[in-house]
Amino acid sequence: GDSVTQMEGPVTLSEEAFLTINCTYTATGYPSLFWYVQYPGEGLQLLLKATKADDKGSNKGFEATYRKETTSFHLEKGSVQVSDSAVYFCALSDIPGTGANNLFFGTGTRLTVIP
Amino acid sequence: EAGVAQSPRYKIIEKRQSVAFWCNPISGHATLYWYQQILGQGPKLLIQFQNNGVVDDSQLPKDRFSAERLKGVDSTLKIQPAKLEDSAVYLCASSSTGTGATGELFFGEGSRLTVL
Repeated sequence: GDSVTQMEGPVTLSEEAFLTINCTYTATGYPSLFWYVQYPGEGLQLLLKATKADDKGSNKGFEATYRKETTSFHLEKGSVQVSDSAVYFCALSDIPGTGANNLFFGTGTRLTVIP
Repeated sequence: EAGVAQSPRYKIIEKRQSVAFWCNPISGHATLYWYQQILGQGPKLLIQFQNNGVVDDSQLPKDRFSAERLKGVDSTLKIQPAKLEDSAVYLCASSSTGTGATGELFFGEGSRLTVL
């Protein structure tokens, strides 16, 4: 079945460091891929998404590229800030295109950025 | 625009007791989801509604969990009787459908259940 494998955390970085959180997926067909973020005390919110191979999603300085050949959707940011401290979830939808029917989530990666 | 509202935020019960969670989705969102998030794991879908009909409840433990979405707006998730392994955060989400829909799910802050 469909699944997402996400880099285990926690991850602790100094401010302005480079961030990579790895995510690989298993799916039949052509899923849509997402990164959701959960800031302390808040609900999950969409960070970025990509709906087909080679698409790059980007938001708030974060980027992820949908790589079909490696079945990956790694999250990157060139310079993290303290305000980026949160839990990041990789997810996929088995509905191709923009649909986000049933989302399959990874286990989440907790990022802490220290000043 | 108001977000997804959930209540209660926290609930502590003893095993074999019952509990109910309530969700009010974003106005106009036809699709409503209940997810279960156990500590250290990603959210797992329990049930999905489209308006007031069930689309997917294959992962809902129907011997103890039930959910309804009367009138296609608010939804209630009930657990009866609760087990220790039901301790988790219960997340409600909603999304829009039709022309212009992006497929994005909007989540509430969740209801944290502790079963003693």
